[in-house]
Amino acid sequence: KAGVTQTPRYLIKTRGQQVTLSCSPISGHRSVSWYQQTPGQGLQFLFEYFSETQRNKGNFPGRFSGRQFSNSRSEMNVSTLELGDSALYLCASSPRIIGGSSYNEQFFGPGTRLTVL
Amino acid sequence: GNSVTQMEGPVTLSEEAFLTINCTYTATGYPSLFWYVQYPGEGLQLLLKATKADDKGSNKGFEATYRKETTSFHLEKGSVQVSDSAVYFCALSDRYSGAGSYQLTFGKGTKLSVIP
Repeated sequence: KAGVTQTPRYLIKTRGQQVTLSCSPISGHRSVSWYQQTPGQGLQFLFEYFSETQRNKGNFPGRFSGRQFSNSRSEMNVSTLELGDSALYLCASSPRIIGGSSYNEQFFGPGTRLTVL
Repeated sequence: GNSVTQMEGPVTLSEEAFLTINCTYTATGYPSLFWYVQYPGEGLQLLLKATKADDKGSNKGFEATYRKETTSFHLEKGSVQVSDSAVYFCALSDRYSGAGSYQLTFGKGTKLSVIP
């Protein structure tokens, strides 16, 4: 079974631009979560989508948004990029089985490395 | 809120040495606990997990026991190899998060370097 894929793997943008990152979950997985990883702040939760609905959102400004499509693929968008948005953005998928395992193991993709100049 | 504290790195060990990486947590509910590993240039891989108190997670020679009384989940390995060099993250997921989300809360990560 193919793992979580993220595109693109690397991006370079300038301040003020916007960017869209894509994530394809493992086949059959319906939940997609996004995390930001930086040397200073570590790994921080951005948001989770399940059945095309945002289920939870971390403490990030409104410039960070996302969506999920009917095939469970997800995109996240960052508008008006700032230097501090430079980070590795990780996507994780989970089966989110109703009534199943309580921990809903999350499987991570390789990430998209965003550099803002 | 939930939080995870793990020992600061980097940690440098000789091959076949014993490894311990400390992890303690704070949670309002009944969390599940995880150790993830990140190799250079890659995403996170789940190393092991424990879903309730006194559970022991184990994988590839690594072990960690869920200690509710000390709110800890320390990672151990009896004999490390060069191939274990990576960054290790302790994390929790609160099963009773109100929105039904299983977001992970991570520690800062501990970089392990194993030298021959």
